[in-house]
Amino acid sequence: LAKTTQPISMDSYEGQEVNITCSHNNIATNDYITWYQQFPSQGPRFIIQGYKTKVTNEVASLFIPADRKSSTLSLPRVSLSDTAVYYCLVGARSNDYKLSFGAGTTVTVRA
Amino acid sequence: GAVVSQHPSWVICKSGTSVKIECRSLDFQATTMFWYRQFPKQSLMLMATSNEGSKATYEQGVEKDKFLINHASLTLSTLTVTSAHPEDSSFYICSAMPAGGVSYEQYFGPGTRLTVT
Repeated sequence: LAKTTQPISMDSYEGQEVNITCSHNNIATNDYITWYQQFPSQGPRFIIQGYKTKVTNEVASLFIPADRKSSTLSLPRVSLSDTAVYYCLVGARSNDYKLSFGAGTTVTVRA
Repeated sequence: GAVVSQHPSWVICKSGTSVKIECRSLDFQATTMFWYRQFPKQSLMLMATSNEGSKATYEQGVEKDKFLINHASLTLSTLTVTSAHPEDSSFYICSAMPAGGVSYEQYFGPGTRLTVT
C-alpha cells in the first residue's frame, strides 16, 4: 500500500490560491490519486481524483507529474469555508485493497 | 449522485449496552463498504472492510466479536458495537465503493457520534 506524506498544516488568506503537495514515492501502476476534504464532525468529501497529468473540476485542480511520485492539489481563490483537513490517498480497486488515511493537511484560511 | 447516509447521526448509550449503526448507499449499489473510527484531532482509522454476502475483514487490533458488521444487501451495511464501554466513544464513519468501475471511488457517510456513558 502506497503511503503518502503531506504537510501537517498550511495557512492562507481569502482569495489566495492554496497548493498542497503530497508525496507518494511507492505508487503502483494501477493506483489512482484521490483527495478528500473533511470538516469537523463530518465525513470526508470527495474533491478530485486523477491518474496522470492534470485534472480539473469546478472546485480544484490536480497536477500529477510524469513519474507520479507526487501530486499537487490546487484550490483557487480560497474562502473561509475552505478551512478543513485535506487528505491525499492513493490506491486501486482490488480484492485486498485497503485504505490508509495519513494525518492530512489542516488548511486554515484567514480573512 | 453517490450519496451515503448513516443512521443515527449521534447516539448516547449506557455502558454494557449494544448500539447498531446503519450505512446506506442511496443512489448506487456498493459491493464493498468500509467502516472507520475517528478520535478527536486524529485521522480516520480503518476498522473493517465489508463485502456484500460475505464476512467482513477486520484490521489488526479490531475485535470482530465486539464490532459486528453485516452487509446483507448491496445498499446496506450495519455496524453493531456490542457491550459498549466509554473507550468506544468515537466518531464512526462508513464509506461505500460503487460496484463496477476501475478507479478508486469512495463516498463517505456523514458519520455517527457515539457516546458511551
